[in-house]
Amino acid sequence: KAGVTQTPRYLIKTRGQQVTLSCSPISGHRSVSWYQQTPGQGLQFLFEYFSETQRNKGNFPGRFSGRQFSNSRSEMNVSTLELGDSALYLCASSIGTRDYEQYFGPGTRLTVT
Amino acid sequence: AQSVTQLDSQVPVFEEAPVELRCNYSSSVSVYLFWYVQYPNQGLQLLLKYLSGSTLVKGINGFEAEFNKSQTSFHLRKPSVHISDTAEYFCAVSDAFLRGGSYIPTFGRGTSLIVHP
Repeated sequence: KAGVTQTPRYLIKTRGQQVTLSCSPISGHRSVSWYQQTPGQGLQFLFEYFSETQRNKGNFPGRFSGRQFSNSRSEMNVSTLELGDSALYLCASSIGTRDYEQYFGPGTRLTVT
Repeated sequence: AQSVTQLDSQVPVFEEAPVELRCNYSSSVSVYLFWYVQYPNQGLQLLLKYLSGSTLVKGINGFEAEFNKSQTSFHLRKPSVHISDTAEYFCAVSDAFLRGGSYIPTFGRGTSLIVHP
């Protein structure tokens, strides 16, 4: 069974631009969560989607948004990029509501210059 | 909300020596506990988890962890490490009740395990 895939793996953007990251969960998984990982803040929860609905949201500004499609694939968007948005963005999928085990993708390394 | 403290940011150890990575969490009535490993340029992989039952949990790659409710700790151990165990290790905790329909974990800052030959 294929694992969680994230595209692109690396991205360089300029301040003020916007970016869209994509995540394809493991087949059969309906929940997708997004995390931001930085050396200073560690791993921080962004949001979680289940059946195309945002079910939980972390403490991030409105510039960070996401969505999930009917095939469970998910995208996250960051508008008006800031230097502090440079991070590894990780996507994790799980089976559903009461599943505790998350499977992580390799991440997208975003660099904002 | 839960908070997780990984007491050591870096743990150097020689190959074949035992190692313990420490994790403490803020108190709660009931919690679920996890340890993940992250190798360079990769995502996180689940090592082991505690949901209920025996307080000693065995995971992959020879790792084990012990849940201590009174000390609110979940330390990770391995009796003999290998060079290939060099990686970042994350402890995560979630409250054992539904928040918005799922169990969103809180992660610690991570401990870098460095195994020297």
